[in-house]
Amino acid sequence: GDSVTQMEGPVTLSEEAFLTINCTYTATGYPSLFWYVQYPGEGLQLLLKATKADDKGSNKGFEATYRKETTSFHLEKGSVQVSDSAVYFCALRDSGTYKYIFGTGTRLKVLA
Amino acid sequence: DADVTQTPRNRITKTGKRIMLECSQTKGHDRMYWYRQDPGLGLRLIYYSFDVKDINKGEISDGYSVSRQAQAKFSLSLESAIPNQTALYFCATGARSSTDTQYFGPGTRLTVL
Repeated sequence: GDSVTQMEGPVTLSEEAFLTINCTYTATGYPSLFWYVQYPGEGLQLLLKATKADDKGSNKGFEATYRKETTSFHLEKGSVQVSDSAVYFCALRDSGTYKYIFGTGTRLKVLA
Repeated sequence: DADVTQTPRNRITKTGKRIMLECSQTKGHDRMYWYRQDPGLGLRLIYYSFDVKDINKGEISDGYSVSRQAQAKFSLSLESAIPNQTALYFCATGARSSTDTQYFGPGTRLTVL
């Protein structure tokens, strides 16, 4: 079945550091890929998405590129801020069933 | 007002009690979902509904049931709560489109003693 694997956290960075959170997936067909962010005490909210191979999703300085050849969708940001501290979830939406599969989440802590 | 609301936000109950968690949405979406979140396990799908008459089991439906009372309302019930159902529960909605995004409620923290 479909699955999403993302790097375990927590990830601790200093402000203005470069961020990479790795995400790989297993799926049949052509899933859509997503990154969601969860701030403390809140529900998940969409950060960015990509619907086909080589698409790049971007938002708030975060980027991720849909790489079909490596089945990856790594999240990157050039310069993190304290306000980026949150839990980040990689997810896919199966193209046949329309069900979502989420990774286990990666907690990011950014220190001033 | 929030687009997706969940009630209650927090609940403590005892083993064997029946519990209902409610979700309402004003986004006009056809699709609604219930997930539970556990530390280290991410989000796991309990049930999902693509319209009022279409309800489907997710990967962890045992011990849970749902009711889609209207397009805007989707309730999750625990018929006889047990301690390992202690978790954070999220409702989400999605539009019927090829690239739909899920919109999440704020969550219900349930503790079963």
